[in-house]
Amino acid sequence: GQSLEQPSEVTAVEGAIVQINCTYQTSGFYGLSWYQQHDGGAPTFLSYNALDGLEETGRFSSFLSRSDSYGYLLLQELQMKDSASYFCAVPNTGGFKTIFGAGTRLFVKA
Amino acid sequence: GAVVSQHPSWVICKSGTSVKIECRSLDFQATTMFWYRQFPKQSLMLMATSNEGSKATYEQGVEKDKFLINHASLTLSTLTVTSAHPEDSSFYICSASGTGDYGYTFGSGTRLTVV
Repeated sequence: GQSLEQPSEVTAVEGAIVQINCTYQTSGFYGLSWYQQHDGGAPTFLSYNALDGLEETGRFSSFLSRSDSYGYLLLQELQMKDSASYFCAVPNTGGFKTIFGAGTRLFVKA
Repeated sequence: GAVVSQHPSWVICKSGTSVKIECRSLDFQATTMFWYRQFPKQSLMLMATSNEGSKATYEQGVEKDKFLINHASLTLSTLTVTSAHPEDSSFYICSASGTGDYGYTFGSGTRLTVV
């Protein structure tokens, strides 16, 4: 089966950099995705890594190490609006369904 | 980009009644849609996979007779919560994959409250 582990909560100050880690266990690997969800809202897709290395998209970057079954989401120049839950996700065996981690609640303080 | 429209955004119903939630892909055809349930401060739990033209595939532990899924066309999937009970109160979200996208596009979600 598949399982993902990520911290339940992270707190950081405005303007800082924060890293949210995710370790996964899958019987086949089809990439690691990240989603952001604000309270009361739907998840929005942030990034996807299929190969090792860092993918940068503006203030957000995502990293993957397939040999370590590990990835992280890096948020730079934190803003108050970044306060949300962040989920890592992997496709299941066969790559058809998406399985989500438990989510990391990020609190950005002034 | 791909847009998924979900209605209603919130609904309150009496215990024992049924509620239908619609999910539409607005600018693409979705042969497959996914239905999730999310309790407060928890992750998204996949309930079922909705396939156009065939029966839905339910995850283990999800009652197919209680959560009826119909994928009537390439752009519409519906979830009906039958004989709703207070414990069914949750946030229900659909998602679909747009053409060429790696990520899934989610509907805006439906907050169901059963009283």
